[in-house]
Order: sequence, then C-alpha cells, then structure tokens
Amino acid sequence: GQSLEQPSEVTAVEGAIVQINCTYQTSGFYGLSWYQQHDGGAPTFLSYNALDGLEETGRFSSFLSRSDSYGYLLLQELQMKDSASYFCAVSPRDSSYKLIFGSGTRLLVRP
Amino acid sequence: KAGVTQTPRYLIKTRGQQVTLSCSPISGHRSVSWYQQTPGQGLQFLFEYFSETQRNKGNFPGRFSGRQFSNSRSEMNVSTLELGDSALYLCASSGKLSTDTQYFGPGTRLTVL
Repeated sequence: GQSLEQPSEVTAVEGAIVQINCTYQTSGFYGLSWYQQHDGGAPTFLSYNALDGLEETGRFSSFLSRSDSYGYLLLQELQMKDSASYFCAVSPRDSSYKLIFGSGTRLLVRP
Repeated sequence: KAGVTQTPRYLIKTRGQQVTLSCSPISGHRSVSWYQQTPGQGLQFLFEYFSETQRNKGNFPGRFSGRQFSNSRSEMNVSTLELGDSALYLCASSGKLSTDTQYFGPGTRLTVL
C-alpha cells in the first residue's frame, strides 16, 4: 500500500522556524505537495516538489529526497496566522488515485 | 478568476436517504476531483472526472457516485446514507495534467443523523 506519515502536532513560537516532516511508503509518484488548511476552511496549495531538493516560496520552503523517502515543509518567521493543519500529499504513478494525503500535522503558533 | 464553488455548504440528512452535492470548477479547469475528510480517516480521494469521464477512482463503495457535465461542473451522489458518511466533502479542480495543482473549494459539511 501507499502511506504518508506526519507528526500529529507541532508547537512553535511566533517568529521562529518550524519543520514539518513527511515520510512515505509509495511505489512511485510524480511529486510531493503541501497543503495548508485552517479550521473550517479548504486546503490551500503551498508547494510542490517534482525533483529532489529545496523549493522556496516566500516564508515557506519544501524539500524532497526520494532516496530517503522523506520530505519536509519549512516555515520561517512564524506568524500567528500560520496556526493551521498542514498536509503532505503525493500524486502516485500507476494508480487510480489522484492524490494520497498524509494524516496531517496541526501547527500551533504561540506568542 | 473565481475559485471553486460548492453547494450546498451545509446539509443534514437521515440514514437511508440520498444526497447530491455540486461543484463548479475554476473557469478553464476540466478536471474535478472529490475528497472526503473525516477526523478519523483524514483526507481520502473519492474520484476524478475529466471531460465528462471518470478518470480515477479511490476505494469507496458503489453508493458513492459522480458525474461531470459538458461545462465541467460536477456532482457527486451518495445513496443509502450511513452515519459514517458524515464528513466534509471537498471538491478540487485542476488542469488536464495529472501533476497540475489542485485548487479546493470550501466543501460541503454533511451530517447524517
């Protein structure tokens, strides 16, 4: 089967840097995506890694290492509004699934 | 550009009933995917429609079905509702490639009593 594991909860202080990890077991995929979801809201796209390495988009960066079956989302200069759930997801090859999501990480940013 | 819209936003049904949810994608997007989100199972893929044809399908029972119209709007139907069908149903639209970013709508919150 295919699965993605994330920590259930992470707490950090405003202004700090936090890393949310995603480890996966999947036979093959096109890329690793990250989504943010505030309580009661829709998931919004943050970042996508098709290749190994780091992708930077403003305060958010995402990293992928296919050899280590591992990726992470890095949030810098944390703001209170970053408190939300974060999901990693893969677009699997040779599968009838469009996207497979991780279990999600709830980030709490404290003053 | 207007985002993905879903109607209704909230719905309450009783066991055994059926329900139809609607999704209008971003203009120009021809792919519409549906997801179920619950606290216990997380975000799970239901199915994807592209150009009025089901292109991908997750592992849900046949009670869950969908369709897409020529204007790319999509509907999903759940028949013989069960308590466990209570969930947030999310629709996402994207371009034609499998790797295109998906943009999610606000969801329909379905409660089955």
